[in-house]
Amino acid sequence: AQSVSQHNHHVILSEAASLELGCNYSYGGTVNLFWYVQYPGQHLQLLLKYFSGDPLVKGIKGFEAEFIKSKFSFNLRKPSVQWSDTAEYFCAVMNTGFQKLVFGTGTRLLVSP
Amino acid sequence: DGGITQSPKYLFRKEGQNVTLSCEQNLNHDAMYWYRQDPGQGLRLIYYSQIVNDFQKGDIAEGYSVSREKKESFPLTVTSAQKNPTAFYLCASSPPGLEYNEQFFGPGTRLTVL
Repeated sequence: AQSVSQHNHHVILSEAASLELGCNYSYGGTVNLFWYVQYPGQHLQLLLKYFSGDPLVKGIKGFEAEFIKSKFSFNLRKPSVQWSDTAEYFCAVMNTGFQKLVFGTGTRLLVSP
Repeated sequence: DGGITQSPKYLFRKEGQNVTLSCEQNLNHDAMYWYRQDPGQGLRLIYYSQIVNDFQKGDIAEGYSVSREKKESFPLTVTSAQKNPTAFYLCASSPPGLEYNEQFFGPGTRLTVL
């Protein structure tokens, strides 16, 4: 069965610090990869996604993620975080051809002003 | 406005009572999903439906039931058989076609069983 690991459960950063959240998955076939974000009191929303092509994908609000197939990883990055990035971040994986998402356990990010 | 609505936002029930959570979408999506979110456990799939009148169990279906009589509606019933029903429940939908695997989420219902 597929599984997704997010290594950091809680991250605390100061504004302007750089962010990298780890995500590793277990499935060996072709996958689609996602990062979702849940801001306090808001819907879960898509941050970015990878289906194919350039392994470096850019999402909303200055976030980007790099798919490294050999490492089964899809880490999320942002060069300079803002207080408004305080949220919970979820990595998710779907094997192609089947619309079932498997989520990681999430990372709570707190950015202090 | 297109989107997914879930009602109610907060729900309180006594132990032993069945409760039904509503999920409606006007995005014309074929597939709909129910997830449960618990602190530190991420989202876990309860049930999903890829087409009207058809649905499949997810990873944690025990104690839950669903129906899909209309394309736009996918209600979830939390039965008294669910041992730990207090949680945040999220409904999602996705459009047809393999190239559109993104799921869109509703605002969620927080269920508390007293």
